[in-house]
Amino acid sequence: EAEVAQSPRYKITEKSQAVAFWCDPISGHATLYWYRQILGQGPELLVQFQDESVVDDSQLPKDRFSAERLKGVDSTLKIQPAELGDSAMYLCASRSTLAGLTDTQYFGPGTRLTVL
Amino acid sequence: DAKTTQPTSMDCAEGRAANLPCNHSTISGNEYVYWYRQIHSQGPQYIIHGLKNNETNEMASLIITEDRKSSTLILPHATLRDTAVYYCIVRLPSGSARQLTFGSGTQLTVLP
Repeated sequence: EAEVAQSPRYKITEKSQAVAFWCDPISGHATLYWYRQILGQGPELLVQFQDESVVDDSQLPKDRFSAERLKGVDSTLKIQPAELGDSAMYLCASRSTLAGLTDTQYFGPGTRLTVL
Repeated sequence: DAKTTQPTSMDCAEGRAANLPCNHSTISGNEYVYWYRQIHSQGPQYIIHGLKNNETNEMASLIITEDRKSSTLILPHATLRDTAVYYCIVRLPSGSARQLTFGSGTQLTVLP
């Protein structure tokens, strides 16, 4: 069964350092999402791509966060500089364009970021 | 998207049915009910969705009341691996593939 891949699974960094997370969606899925999940809360969207274009980045802290999906396939989320409050799980999800009006999203295992 | 209300936590004995309620009293006529679950340290997993009719798949059953103001997710024979946070999400069908808006969910603990 096809899955969304993410790496690394865990990342520990010091504040003010740069970190990057990678996501490879399910093959053929044009829509890709990055969510952030703080411990004890549900995931919240950071950025959404349709192919290589950003559809929604209204909740992305653009002073320190950036995301790209250059060829419309895999994607990278970067934080520079990292702050203590960035400690969270970063989840990638994808959705098939064949899904029609259904909104089933498929999530990767996430990257657990700890900022010291 | 309509707001949902779920209990914070529930326990269920292994092998018994787990019935997870969700209240969505402000749901509109064309909004769907989705259920996802998140096992500890993993990404959320789609379970099932429905509009007005009851739905069943290999994972669970979804029972939606006739007035659509509430629903129940049923895991017919809960196992220890079903211990997870279960999220009920109500949303319009969207060809634009908008984000999912998660609440706090219900922590289901299956007890041996």
